[in-house]
Amino acid sequence: QSALTQPASVSGSPGQSITISCTGTYWDVGSYNLVSWYQQYAGKAPKLMIYEVNKRPSGVSTRFSGSKSGNTASLTISGLQAEDEADYYCCSYVGTTTFRVFGGGTKLTVL
Amino acid sequence: QVQLQESGPGLVKPSETLSLTCTVSGDSVSTYYWTWIRQPPGKTLEWIGYIDETGTTYYSPSLKSRVAMSLDMSKSQFSLKLTYMTAVDTAVYYCAKETIESGGVTRGFDSWGQGTLVTVSS
Repeated sequence: QSALTQPASVSGSPGQSITISCTGTYWDVGSYNLVSWYQQYAGKAPKLMIYEVNKRPSGVSTRFSGSKSGNTASLTISGLQAEDEADYYCCSYVGTTTFRVFGGGTKLTVL
Repeated sequence: QVQLQESGPGLVKPSETLSLTCTVSGDSVSTYYWTWIRQPPGKTLEWIGYIDETGTTYYSPSLKSRVAMSLDMSKSQFSLKLTYMTAVDTAVYYCAKETIESGGVTRGFDSWGQGTLVTVSS
């Protein structure tokens, strides 16, 4: 059982915006602005899309954005494109005992 | 651009020890957290632990009793050993680089190996 809760699936049409939530607790997401998001295509390694809640690595499209409110972090993808269809995982720092924890993953379908 | 490549056996017998190596190219093995992450088929990612350039290690509490990581800076490699393998350890094992800012702030896992599938079976 994952420590961070994500919806199993979300879907949207090309051009629309979707948001994927990542719900933790006060002890992880709620206490640290250290949430990252990863995109994973089938059979491929994950790719970092967002770090420190809302920062984009160089080369990641500005269509990807992150935010946080309380114990829930969110990844928003605007202007959906067919190439965005993938699995998405959130990850949070969890202090000096558990250290890092991932969400259960969300499958994004572009209709 | 740093590149990582896992190597090791694809098949391990139950109760045996898994040994994997990750070779780093394009950057120094210093100043980062060198991490192992695994993903059972069809499931989510699981953080196993990391080793830094000083050899300091941090492991997931759920695997701590069975995990050991090491670093060979002369070969630009870091390694994972996982003892007493069982079927639940069947997974794709990834090595990854975690960039850390001053103050220990993580910028996430910004480079990954392609992953290697390890199956536990007799």
